[in-house]
Amino acid sequence: QQPVQSPQAVILREGEDAVINCSSSKALYSVHWYRQKHGEAPVFLMILLKGGEQKGHEKISASFNEKKQQSSLYLTASQLSYSGTYFCGTEQYGGSQGNLIFGKGTKLSVKP
Amino acid sequence: KAGVTQTPRYLIKTRGQQVTLSCSPISGHRSVSWYQQTPGQGLQFLFEYFSETQRNKGNFPGRFSGRQFSNSRSEMNVSTLELGDSALYLCASSPLDREVDEQYFGPGTRLTVT
Repeated sequence: QQPVQSPQAVILREGEDAVINCSSSKALYSVHWYRQKHGEAPVFLMILLKGGEQKGHEKISASFNEKKQQSSLYLTASQLSYSGTYFCGTEQYGGSQGNLIFGKGTKLSVKP
Repeated sequence: KAGVTQTPRYLIKTRGQQVTLSCSPISGHRSVSWYQQTPGQGLQFLFEYFSETQRNKGNFPGRFSGRQFSNSRSEMNVSTLELGDSALYLCASSPLDREVDEQYFGPGTRLTVT
């Protein structure tokens, strides 16, 4: 029940915006977003626990539509440092804490 | 606070051998999860430990096992290594506060099986 992320890859110019989507076929308890740069460990961005919750972190924010079983990550006014692969990790109802099922990732490249 | 540490960082083994990887979580974190990351399959959950008990296990064969010690440090073991076990193995720790239970990843152990 791996969540599906879209798009698979996106190229932006500095200052442009992007949206990354994460959709699940299973009911979700929470959605976690991570960014991983090449050769490094994934870094936590944010967690969304409640349906409809929207959280922000600098110019990166996310929403969680529990009914649609999907989450979206919004990157505004992108910076070069935003480049990397973004993963959503989902906790599904019936699963347990610590068992995150990750999407395949969205590769984001920000060009000057 | 020091981050999650994993040892060794790199490892080369031969098919049929076994390997043990170590993970030290962030101080105070009680939950440790292990993941396998490969280019083809992405991040896949292996198992999660809490208070020395395995609470959940992913869809991996029995050759993959783990344990957690009383100080929350964790080890995972892979026996009878196969070429397909070549991957980055990531450990993540979590405080398990329900409202703020993000997982903090270690740098990983890059395992190459030849």
